Amino acid sequence: QKEVEQNSGPLSVPEGAIASLNCTYSDRGSQSFFWYRQYSGKSPELIMFIYSNGDKEDGRFTAQLNKASQYVSLLIRDSQPSDSATYLCAVKNRLNRDDKIIFGKGTRLHILP
Amino acid sequence: DAGVIQSPRHEVTEMGQEVTLRCKPISGHDYLFWYRQTMMRGLELLIYFNNNVPIDDSGMPEDRFSAKMPNASFSTLKIQPSEPRDSAVYFCASSPRHSLSGNTIYFGEGSWLTVV
Repeated sequence: QKEVEQNSGPLSVPEGAIASLNCTYSDRGSQSFFWYRQYSGKSPELIMFIYSNGDKEDGRFTAQLNKASQYVSLLIRDSQPSDSATYLCAVKNRLNRDDKIIFGKGTRLHILP
Repeated sequence: DAGVIQSPRHEVTEMGQEVTLRCKPISGHDYLFWYRQTMMRGLELLIYFNNNVPIDDSGMPEDRFSAKMPNASFSTLKIQPSEPRDSAVYFCASSPRHSLSGNTIYFGEGSWLTVV
Protein backbone atom coordinates (compact mmCIF):
# COMPACT_ATOMS: atom_id res chain seq x y z
CA GLN A 1 0.00 0.00 0.00
CA LYS A 2 1.38 3.36 -0.97
CA GLU A 3 1.75 5.88 1.83
CA VAL A 4 0.10 9.24 2.19
CA GLU A 5 1.16 11.10 5.29
CA GLN A 6 -0.54 13.96 7.08
CA ASN A 7 -0.11 15.56 10.48
CA SER A 8 -3.15 14.53 12.47
CA GLY A 9 -3.40 17.84 14.30
CA PRO A 10 -5.44 19.43 15.64
CA LEU A 11 -4.28 22.55 13.88
CA SER A 12 -5.71 25.65 15.53
CA VAL A 13 -5.90 28.82 13.46
CA PRO A 14 -7.48 32.15 14.40
CA GLU A 15 -10.46 33.25 12.36
CA GLY A 16 -9.37 35.33 9.39
CA ALA A 17 -5.86 33.88 9.27
CA ILE A 18 -4.38 31.51 6.69
CA ALA A 19 -4.58 27.80 7.45
CA SER A 20 -1.84 25.68 5.89
CA LEU A 21 -2.31 21.93 5.56
CA ASN A 22 0.42 19.65 4.30
CA CYS A 23 0.64 16.17 2.83
CA THR A 24 3.50 14.01 1.64
CA TYR A 25 3.31 10.89 -0.48
CA SER A 26 5.73 8.07 -1.11
CA ASP A 27 4.80 6.90 -4.60
CA ARG A 28 6.61 8.94 -7.25
CA GLY A 29 4.16 7.58 -9.80
CA SER A 30 1.32 9.51 -8.23
CA GLN A 31 -0.23 11.80 -10.77
CA SER A 32 -3.46 13.18 -9.34
CA PHE A 33 -3.92 14.82 -5.98
CA PHE A 34 -7.09 15.66 -4.15
CA TRP A 35 -8.14 17.48 -1.02
CA TYR A 36 -11.33 16.39 0.69
CA ARG A 37 -13.06 17.99 3.65
CA GLN A 38 -14.90 15.86 6.16
CA TYR A 39 -17.15 17.28 8.83
CA SER A 40 -17.68 15.18 11.94
CA GLY A 41 -20.17 12.42 11.25
CA LYS A 42 -20.32 13.18 7.54
CA SER A 43 -18.76 11.78 4.39
CA PRO A 44 -15.74 13.31 2.67
CA GLU A 45 -16.45 15.94 0.04
CA LEU A 46 -14.07 17.15 -2.64
CA ILE A 47 -12.57 20.61 -2.25
CA MET A 48 -9.92 20.66 -4.96
CA PHE A 49 -7.79 18.51 -7.23
CA ILE A 50 -4.44 19.27 -8.82
CA TYR A 51 -2.26 17.55 -11.41
CA SER A 52 0.50 19.98 -12.32
CA ASN A 53 3.33 21.41 -10.31
CA GLY A 54 2.60 24.82 -8.91
CA ASP A 55 -0.45 26.49 -7.46
CA LYS A 56 -4.12 26.15 -8.23
CA GLU A 57 -6.56 28.63 -6.74
CA ASP A 58 -10.29 28.29 -6.18
CA GLY A 59 -11.86 31.01 -4.09
CA ARG A 60 -10.32 30.99 -0.64
CA PHE A 61 -8.54 27.70 -1.34
CA THR A 62 -5.14 27.21 -2.96
CA ALA A 63 -3.62 23.81 -3.65
CA GLN A 64 0.12 23.61 -4.12
CA LEU A 65 1.95 20.67 -5.67
CA ASN A 66 5.66 19.91 -5.72
CA LYS A 67 6.28 16.56 -7.36
CA ALA A 68 10.05 16.71 -6.93
CA SER A 69 9.63 16.96 -3.17
CA GLN A 70 6.53 14.76 -3.18
CA TYR A 71 4.31 17.06 -1.23
CA VAL A 72 1.01 18.75 -1.74
CA SER A 73 -0.49 21.44 0.43
CA LEU A 74 -3.76 23.26 0.89
CA LEU A 75 -3.98 26.88 1.94
CA ILE A 76 -7.22 28.33 3.25
CA ARG A 77 -7.31 32.12 3.28
CA ASP A 78 -9.55 34.16 5.54
CA SER A 79 -10.34 31.11 7.64
CA GLN A 80 -13.91 30.82 8.89
CA PRO A 81 -15.33 28.77 11.77
CA SER A 82 -17.18 26.75 9.13
CA ASP A 83 -13.80 25.58 7.84
CA SER A 84 -13.32 23.57 11.04
CA ALA A 85 -13.22 19.97 9.84
CA THR A 86 -10.84 17.16 9.00
CA TYR A 87 -9.00 17.61 5.71
CA LEU A 88 -8.03 14.48 3.82
CA CYS A 89 -5.29 14.35 1.24
CA ALA A 90 -5.69 11.71 -1.47
CA VAL A 91 -3.43 10.58 -4.29
CA LYS A 92 -4.00 8.53 -7.40
CA ASN A 93 -1.46 6.77 -9.56
CA ARG A 94 -2.55 7.11 -13.15
CA LEU A 95 0.43 5.19 -14.42
CA ASN A 96 0.31 1.45 -14.81
CA ARG A 97 -3.48 1.68 -15.11
CA ASP A 98 -3.74 1.77 -11.33
CA ASP A 99 -6.94 3.55 -10.43
CA LYS A 100 -6.67 3.27 -6.68
CA ILE A 101 -7.15 6.45 -4.72
CA ILE A 102 -5.30 6.34 -1.43
CA PHE A 103 -6.15 8.67 1.44
CA GLY A 104 -4.10 10.05 4.28
CA LYS A 105 -5.51 9.89 7.79
CA GLY A 106 -6.41 13.55 7.70
CA THR A 107 -5.59 16.72 9.59
CA ARG A 108 -8.10 18.14 12.03
CA LEU A 109 -8.45 21.88 11.60
CA HIS A 110 -9.99 24.09 14.26
CA ILE A 111 -10.71 27.71 13.44
CA LEU A 112 -10.78 29.81 16.59
CA PRO A 113 -13.53 32.47 16.58
CA ASP B 1 -28.74 12.83 -9.41
CA ALA B 2 -29.39 11.36 -5.98
CA GLY B 3 -25.74 10.65 -5.31
CA VAL B 4 -24.29 7.43 -3.94
CA ILE B 5 -26.89 5.68 -1.82
CA GLN B 6 -25.90 3.36 1.00
CA SER B 7 -27.92 1.20 3.34
CA PRO B 8 -28.27 0.65 6.17
CA ARG B 9 -27.10 3.95 7.61
CA HIS B 10 -26.63 2.45 11.04
CA GLU B 11 -26.38 -1.14 12.16
CA VAL B 12 -25.69 -2.72 15.50
CA THR B 13 -25.16 -6.45 15.45
CA GLU B 14 -23.83 -9.17 17.67
CA MET B 15 -20.49 -10.80 17.14
CA GLY B 16 -20.75 -13.76 14.81
CA GLN B 17 -23.69 -12.42 12.84
CA GLU B 18 -23.60 -11.77 9.11
CA VAL B 19 -23.63 -8.15 8.01
CA THR B 20 -24.53 -7.01 4.51
CA LEU B 21 -23.95 -3.43 3.42
CA ARG B 22 -25.49 -2.16 0.21
CA CYS B 23 -24.59 0.53 -2.26
CA LYS B 24 -26.11 2.14 -5.32
CA PRO B 25 -23.54 4.18 -7.22
CA ILE B 26 -24.22 7.30 -9.23
CA SER B 27 -25.71 6.37 -12.58
CA GLY B 28 -23.12 6.29 -15.33
CA HIS B 29 -20.13 5.94 -13.05
CA ASP B 30 -17.76 3.16 -14.08
CA TYR B 31 -15.89 2.78 -10.80
CA LEU B 32 -17.14 1.72 -7.41
CA PHE B 33 -15.05 1.77 -4.26
CA TRP B 34 -15.57 0.40 -0.76
CA TYR B 35 -13.69 2.19 2.02
CA ARG B 36 -13.58 1.63 5.76
CA GLN B 37 -12.87 4.46 8.18
CA THR B 38 -11.71 4.20 11.78
CA MET B 39 -9.98 6.64 14.06
CA MET B 40 -6.88 4.48 14.24
CA ARG B 41 -6.44 3.59 10.58
CA GLY B 42 -8.17 6.42 8.77
CA LEU B 43 -9.87 5.82 5.44
CA GLU B 44 -8.77 2.49 4.00
CA LEU B 45 -9.56 1.21 0.53
CA LEU B 46 -11.00 -2.29 0.77
CA ILE B 47 -11.86 -3.11 -2.85
CA TYR B 48 -12.79 -1.39 -6.06
CA PHE B 49 -14.66 -2.38 -9.19
CA ASN B 50 -14.45 -1.18 -12.78
CA ASN B 51 -17.51 -1.89 -14.91
CA ASN B 52 -18.74 -4.38 -12.29
CA VAL B 53 -15.47 -6.33 -12.30
CA PRO B 54 -13.37 -6.45 -9.11
CA ILE B 55 -9.99 -4.94 -9.93
CA ASP B 56 -8.14 -4.85 -6.63
CA ASP B 57 -9.24 -6.49 -3.40
CA SER B 58 -5.87 -6.33 -1.68
CA GLY B 59 -7.34 -4.11 1.00
CA MET B 60 -9.93 -6.64 2.12
CA PRO B 61 -8.78 -7.51 5.63
CA GLU B 62 -9.50 -11.23 5.58
CA ASP B 63 -11.70 -13.95 4.18
CA ARG B 64 -14.60 -12.89 6.36
CA PHE B 65 -15.07 -9.96 3.99
CA SER B 66 -16.50 -10.32 0.51
CA ALA B 67 -17.88 -7.88 -2.04
CA LYS B 68 -19.95 -8.27 -5.16
CA MET B 69 -21.24 -6.06 -7.91
CA PRO B 70 -23.85 -8.02 -9.87
CA ASN B 71 -24.78 -5.04 -12.03
CA ALA B 72 -23.86 -1.42 -12.66
CA SER B 73 -26.32 -0.09 -10.11
CA PHE B 74 -25.74 -2.29 -7.09
CA SER B 75 -22.95 -3.58 -4.90
CA THR B 76 -22.75 -5.38 -1.56
CA LEU B 77 -20.08 -5.73 1.08
CA LYS B 78 -20.59 -8.72 3.35
CA ILE B 79 -18.93 -9.60 6.61
CA GLN B 80 -19.42 -13.12 7.87
CA PRO B 81 -18.91 -13.73 10.73
CA SER B 82 -18.66 -10.22 12.12
CA GLU B 83 -16.28 -9.32 14.94
CA PRO B 84 -16.09 -6.28 17.26
CA ARG B 85 -12.95 -5.05 15.47
CA ASP B 86 -15.05 -4.66 12.32
CA SER B 87 -16.84 -1.73 13.94
CA ALA B 88 -16.27 1.24 11.66
CA VAL B 89 -17.89 3.49 9.11
CA TYR B 90 -18.05 1.84 5.72
CA PHE B 91 -18.18 4.20 2.77
CA CYS B 92 -19.14 3.35 -0.75
CA ALA B 93 -17.96 5.75 -3.45
CA SER B 94 -18.21 5.95 -7.21
CA SER B 95 -16.30 7.70 -9.94
CA PRO B 96 -16.74 8.37 -13.64
CA ARG B 97 -14.04 7.06 -15.92
CA HIS B 98 -13.46 10.32 -17.73
CA SER B 99 -14.45 13.61 -16.28
CA LEU B 100 -13.24 17.16 -16.01
CA SER B 101 -12.53 16.46 -12.38
CA GLY B 102 -10.21 13.63 -13.28
CA ASN B 103 -11.80 10.58 -11.76
CA THR B 104 -12.91 12.37 -8.63
CA ILE B 105 -14.76 10.00 -6.37
CA TYR B 106 -18.07 10.80 -4.75
CA PHE B 107 -18.92 9.28 -1.41
CA GLY B 108 -22.12 7.96 0.01
CA GLU B 109 -23.15 8.96 3.52
CA GLY B 110 -21.66 5.81 5.00
CA SER B 111 -22.88 2.80 6.93
CA TRP B 112 -22.07 3.02 10.63
CA LEU B 113 -21.44 -0.51 11.86
CA THR B 114 -21.15 -1.49 15.50
CA VAL B 115 -20.43 -5.11 16.37
CA VAL B 116 -20.96 -5.94 20.05
